[in-house]
Amino acid sequence: TGVTQSPTHLIKTRGQQVTLSCSPISGHRSVSWYQQTPGQGLQFLFEYFSETQRNKGNFPGRFSGRQFSNSRSEMNVSTLELGDSALYLCASSPDGGRTDTQYFGPGTRLTVL
Amino acid sequence: AQRVTQPEKLLSVFKGAPVELKCNYSYSGSPELFWYVQYSRQRLQLLLRHISRESIKGFTADLNKGETSFHLKKPFAQEEDSAMYYCALRPLTGSARQLTFGSGTQLTVLP
Repeated sequence: TGVTQSPTHLIKTRGQQVTLSCSPISGHRSVSWYQQTPGQGLQFLFEYFSETQRNKGNFPGRFSGRQFSNSRSEMNVSTLELGDSALYLCASSPDGGRTDTQYFGPGTRLTVL
Repeated sequence: AQRVTQPEKLLSVFKGAPVELKCNYSYSGSPELFWYVQYSRQRLQLLLRHISRESIKGFTADLNKGETSFHLKKPFAQEEDSAMYYCALRPLTGSARQLTFGSGTQLTVLP
């Protein structure tokens, strides 16, 4: 099976926090998160490998994540703002190495009211 | 810092016509270039990468380091090629492994 994400859709109000989940392809140890919006396109949030954040994009500290020992990953957004409305994609790869291909999940659509 | 530019937001061609989706990049080091495609209501998926030099679904792309371009081409477009296409770059050296995407081109192939 491919990369799975939950939930599919989510509606929150400003100031709330949200947690999104990503299950990588079996055997993949690297998980990356991206934010997709009509205005900014696809932007890298962070990458986790072996439960450690290995790379981080240019997002405020309200965006955080973690990875568990089974490589599943979660991202959290605190104090939600209207501008956080987006499709959040996660992608997994075997080890995030130079020749790896990233496989994307279907995304979680977050709407902030 | 790296940057990927796709100058065309929308592109329409007729079935059977050649199609070229433009991609230019700026990066001081050695890049790896990709094309990803997103069909309607499907997830983002890899179409091709310059390192493998494959032709997928009739599409090809050549990395031109002099012009810093990685244009996607297909000699005869098909209606099923209608989709959103993203060009992406990843550094071949250094610690950063993330993809930097262009803004995408929506291709419509008309019957």
